[in-house]
Amino acid sequence: EAGVAQSPRYKIIEKRQSVAFWCNPISGHATLYWYQQILGQGPKLLIQFQNNGVVDDSQLPKDRFSAERLKGVDSTLKIQPAKLEDSAVYLCASSFPSGGVRMNTEAFFGQGTRLTVV
Amino acid sequence: DQQVKQNSPSLSVQEGRISILNCDYTNSMFDYFLWYKKYPAEGPTFLISISSIKDKNEDGRFTVFLNKSAKHLSLHIVPSQPGDSAVYFCAATIWGYGQNFVFGPGTRLSVLP
Repeated sequence: EAGVAQSPRYKIIEKRQSVAFWCNPISGHATLYWYQQILGQGPKLLIQFQNNGVVDDSQLPKDRFSAERLKGVDSTLKIQPAKLEDSAVYLCASSFPSGGVRMNTEAFFGQGTRLTVV
Repeated sequence: DQQVKQNSPSLSVQEGRISILNCDYTNSMFDYFLWYKKYPAEGPTFLISISSIKDKNEDGRFTVFLNKSAKHLSLHIVPSQPGDSAVYFCAATIWGYGQNFVFGPGTRLSVLP
């Protein structure tokens, strides 16, 4: 079974530039998460999708961050304009199959995109 | 407001001995807990979980203990191996459809040969 795919692996941009990250979750997983992990901290949820609807985006800085999940599969996370404090690893994760009432179990993570804003 | 805490940023253990990693939580609604392991330049990988209806769950060398009254859980690794050296994250969620995971800051475990 293929895991969660993310690209790019690394990105360096200047502040005020824009950047986009892409995620392809595990096939059939209904829930997709974007987490931000700043060095020395645990992953922090930015946004959670259930199929192509947003479940939780309460911690997403909506003035500069946006995310979408096309057709309930792939997702993109965009930052525009980037700030120095956005330097972090951006992790995409997915969990449990779509359909039915199977309850939440573990989330499966991609390798992440390391963003450096200079 | 940190809902999941891991108060030890790092831990060093001799190979073959027991590693004990601790985690505390503040939200009494959490009823499902997970441990993830993370190597450098990789995403976190799921290790073991426990539901609040249990106080212990075992999987090979890994055992997680849950003390609901103290809002505390611990991960025991016996015996520790050098390949266990990684950052360990404790995570918590509310068992149900569509809930997200809240992570602690992590503990870096070093297993010395």
